[in-house]
Amino acid sequence: DAGVIQSPRHEVTEMGQEVTLRCKPISGHNSLFWYRQTMMRGLELLIYFNNNVPIDDSGMPEDRFSAKMPNASFSTLKIQPSEPRDSAVYFCASSLMGQGTDTQYFGPGTRLTVL
Amino acid sequence: ILNVEQSPQSLHVQEGDSTNFTCSFPSSNFYALHWYRWETAKSPEALFVMTLNGDEKKKGRISATLNTKEGYSYLYIKGSQPEDSATYLCAFPYNQGGKLIFGQGTELSVKP
Repeated sequence: DAGVIQSPRHEVTEMGQEVTLRCKPISGHNSLFWYRQTMMRGLELLIYFNNNVPIDDSGMPEDRFSAKMPNASFSTLKIQPSEPRDSAVYFCASSLMGQGTDTQYFGPGTRLTVL
Repeated sequence: ILNVEQSPQSLHVQEGDSTNFTCSFPSSNFYALHWYRWETAKSPEALFVMTLNGDEKKKGRISATLNTKEGYSYLYIKGSQPEDSATYLCAFPYNQGGKLIFGQGTELSVKP
């Protein structure tokens, strides 16, 4: 079975550019999560969706970040404009029902470097 | 603000040693406790989801126990092997929804 798919795996861009990260959750999973990993803050949740609807975006750092889930099999996380402090690994995860007892399955991550 | 604490921050053991580390979480409004294993340059991989006080889960040489009343879980690795080297994360659901609060992890290094 295909797991969570993320693209690109690596992204290097210059400050001010728009960056779009993509995620395909596991088929049949109703919940999708975007996380960011940094040395300072560890693994932090940015936003999550249930049935394509954003439920909690309190972790989104600021207005430069936006996320969409137009259908059950695709989500994007966009940063516009990007800044060097956005450099991190961004993970997408999905779970069956989005409940606290559900296992979350993580994608391979996108390593973003903003110069 | 929910606080999930893990200790120690890092651990260095010899191959064959058994080891354990701790995850502390709020004891009120308990829903579940997750353990993940995270190898360098890979993504977190689920080990256990624990839901009942006194629960004990096992996967090969790795096992975990849960005490919801006092708010802690232990992860044990019996006879550590170099391939066990990874960061072990625990996570606590913010509420009944899917939002997980992760601890900072315990970084385990097993020397041959």
